[in-house]
Amino acid sequence: DAMVIQNPRYQVTQFGKPVTLSCSQTLNHNVMYWYQQKSSQAPKLLFHYYDKDFNNEADTPDNFQSRRPNTSFCFLDIRSPGLGDAAMYLCATTPYSGDTQYFGPGTRLTVL
Amino acid sequence: GDSVTQMEGPVTLSEEAFLTINCTYTATGYPSLFWYVQYPGEGLQLLLKATKADDKGSNKGFEATYRKETTSFHLEKGSVQVSDSAVYFCALSDDSGSARQLTFGSGTQLTVLP
Repeated sequence: DAMVIQNPRYQVTQFGKPVTLSCSQTLNHNVMYWYQQKSSQAPKLLFHYYDKDFNNEADTPDNFQSRRPNTSFCFLDIRSPGLGDAAMYLCATTPYSGDTQYFGPGTRLTVL
Repeated sequence: GDSVTQMEGPVTLSEEAFLTINCTYTATGYPSLFWYVQYPGEGLQLLLKATKADDKGSNKGFEATYRKETTSFHLEKGSVQVSDSAVYFCALSDDSGSARQLTFGSGTQLTVLP
């Protein structure tokens, strides 16, 4: 009964080759978040969706895009991955009025 | 803006020792406070939370009390186990804007030795 699912758990891509990470949720939550977490650091918010409204953090690179085709799914697209984009990518959800974010297990991205 | 200051790590303890990880915060409103735990190679799991002053969150033997007068939310456990080895993040959730944002502390690596 997984609630926030991320696929794949491990992704290897080549420098400059576009990659897509996916997140799905069975909680019917309205808000979905994408975080980047580098080794030994706290998660860093990239963007979030409030329903279909997309909210980008000011310092999120243009290389990162996101799509949310429906309530359950959200995708993170990295158009031209660089070596510095190697990290764990975490998806999280919360309902409108909730204050607790529920995280998926993460996708570990390696860039060769 | 909001911020969370967390005890520097790493912390190494023997099994059955007492654990305290300090966390203090700065916020303009009335935030909710959280402790998340991250096991190696995994995502973040909510450990406990408190939503207002003097609330105590507890789970799996861990406790933390929301202290507004000292702006603190220290994590404690009376007797740690090897399985508690993980990274612990203190966080706050502000109550402004259209969607709540989490502000994280820097994380504390805990290692428990048998």
